[in-house]
Amino acid sequence: SQQGEEDPQALSIQEGENATMNCSYKTSINNLQWYRQNSGRGLVHLILIRSNEREKHSGRLRVTLDTSKKSSSLLITASRAADTASYFCATDNGNKLVFGAGTILRVKS
Amino acid sequence: EAQVTQNPRYLITVTGKKLTVTCSQNMNHEYMSWYRQDPGLGLRQIYYSMNVEVTDKGDVPEGYKVSRKEKRNFPLILESPSPNQTSLYFCASSFGGGWGYTFGSGTRLTVV
Repeated sequence: SQQGEEDPQALSIQEGENATMNCSYKTSINNLQWYRQNSGRGLVHLILIRSNEREKHSGRLRVTLDTSKKSSSLLITASRAADTASYFCATDNGNKLVFGAGTILRVKS
Repeated sequence: EAQVTQNPRYLITVTGKKLTVTCSQNMNHEYMSWYRQDPGLGLRQIYYSMNVEVTDKGDVPEGYKVSRKEKRNFPLILESPSPNQTSLYFCASSFGGGWGYTFGSGTRLTVV
């Protein structure tokens, strides 16, 4: 079952621009996580935000969480060609991660 | 290097021939899980394990078995594979709830 739904499904930007991806979910969560997947490879954990946090930063990544709206956003600033990948949000209810369908990001150089 | 190791990376097999996909982690993680990834369906959890000898069904457990006899290993067993189990499989591990997961590189399985 998919808990998170990402928006947009696909995003194409120029190198140096910012990329924003959104995630909505349906049930209460302990935390929400973002992952990156390069074509057919394993997922890489990017950042985790707990349900009592509103914003978190890690390098060029900024994640926000609004539990009242059951939504999160991932901002990648000053994007690079190497950021081209699929990005997934995943909600953690304690027993498992439930992944959304993902956003495909293409950064053109 | 901290990692989750899956083997094999690629596997083509015939319907009904039992197979095992191995998964091993070297991070002393309590929690391990198997996912399958299919186009249009995303990642779906097959089975998970909170600790040694403790396993539980995920969202799509039919046709799969797992075991957790040691903390580091969590093999996925397909007793009688069918073509609808053709998929990309990922093993993942974690310290548990509230921690990020480390994923293996994936096993691309084709059942003909």
